Amino acid sequence: KAGVTQTPRYLIKTRGQQVTLSCSPISGHRSVSWYQQTPGQGLQFLFEYFSETQRNKGNFPGRFSGRQFSNSRSEMNVSTLELGDSALYLCASSFALAGGQETQYFGPGTRLLVL
Amino acid sequence: ELKVEQNPLFLSMQEGKNYTIYCNYSTTSDRLYWYRQDPGKSLESLFVLLSNGAVKQEGRLMASLDTKARLSTLHITAAVHDLSATYFCAVIIQGAQKLVFGQGTRLTINP
Repeated sequence: KAGVTQTPRYLIKTRGQQVTLSCSPISGHRSVSWYQQTPGQGLQFLFEYFSETQRNKGNFPGRFSGRQFSNSRSEMNVSTLELGDSALYLCASSFALAGGQETQYFGPGTRLLVL
Repeated sequence: ELKVEQNPLFLSMQEGKNYTIYCNYSTTSDRLYWYRQDPGKSLESLFVLLSNGAVKQEGRLMASLDTKARLSTLHITAAVHDLSATYFCAVIIQGAQKLVFGQGTRLTINP
């Protein structure tokens, strides 16, 4: 079974630009979560989507948004990029029925550098 | 707010030695996970611990969970260089698919 895939793997943007990251979950997985990893803040939860609906949201500003498509693929968007948005963005998928808490499997991540 | 704390944050040890990484969390949770991350790589799932007293072992790694003490341990037996990595514990928010991670323990095993 193919794992979680994320595109692009690396991205360089400048302040003020916006960026869209993509995540394809493991086949059959319906829940997709996004995490930000930085040296200073560690791993932080951004949001989780299940059946095209955002079920959970972390403490990030509104510049961070996401969506999920009917095939469970997910995108996250960051608008008006700031230097502090430079991070590794990880996507994780799980089978997760509503309220279920199965293991989340992580993709390789997208490394975003904001200049 | 659920908080997860690991210690130590950095650990340098010699091959062949044993050591334990500790993970404390602040509120009740349904399950606890251990992940491994190699430099520049993603997170690899190691263990899922579901209930009080749960113990899981894979090779030289053994994880345990004490829900009453809100403590999990990851024990490394007779360490080998290939186990060098950063290890994270994570606790799931009850009723949600939201993982709260510890700070990570950077483990370096010297030959």
